[in-house]
Amino acid sequence: NAGVTQTPKFQVLKTGQSMTLQCAQDMNHNSMYWYRQDPGMGLRLIYYSASEGTTDKGEVPNGYNVSRLNKREFSLRLESAAPSQTSVYFCASSEDDSPRGEQFFGPGTRLTVL
Amino acid sequence: ILNVEQSPQSLHVQEGDSTNFTCSFPSSNFYALHWYRWETAKSPEALFVMTLNGDEKKKGRISATLNTKEGYSYLYIKGSQPEDSATYLCAPDSNYQLIWGAGTKLIIKP
Repeated sequence: NAGVTQTPKFQVLKTGQSMTLQCAQDMNHNSMYWYRQDPGMGLRLIYYSASEGTTDKGEVPNGYNVSRLNKREFSLRLESAAPSQTSVYFCASSEDDSPRGEQFFGPGTRLTVL
Repeated sequence: ILNVEQSPQSLHVQEGDSTNFTCSFPSSNFYALHWYRWETAKSPEALFVMTLNGDEKKKGRISATLNTKEGYSYLYIKGSQPEDSATYLCAPDSNYQLIWGAGTKLIIKP
């Protein structure tokens, strides 16, 4: 069991470039999440997906889009990167079809936007 | 959006000593309270999910209590060891989203 995997681990973008962060889980979990983590702040929810085919906005969705491709995969897309999106991005999953169960996290993607 | 506060922000503890820290959250619309442990260069890992007022959970030397009426939870570590060095995050669950505190960074001095 790999758990939750994320690619890439590191990425540097120029302002205005686009990219997609990939996340996959092999635990057959229903719910998946994208968070960003900034120094001195708690994890902030960007988007989540309670089940295959559904997505919902979290606390900080602006500038991002997501796709729940199938039960395993949940991608996060930055269409036009901005320096304010420099952050560490974590994907997580949970068995329950709500955020109320224990969440399992991927290793994170460190993104720098110049 | 809930306001979640964790105190202290950081804590230095001598190896072998016991310690505790606090998570405060609004008590309205409460469903559950999560505690996670986050070691440097790793990802957060769940310690406890607590739902009932008065809940007390234990995992080895780590335990947690919950007071939903007054909106706080304590995390206790007994006989701290170097491997306990990590950031401890709490996250109340309200309205189907976890709202994360900024964490308490615990450093165990040998």
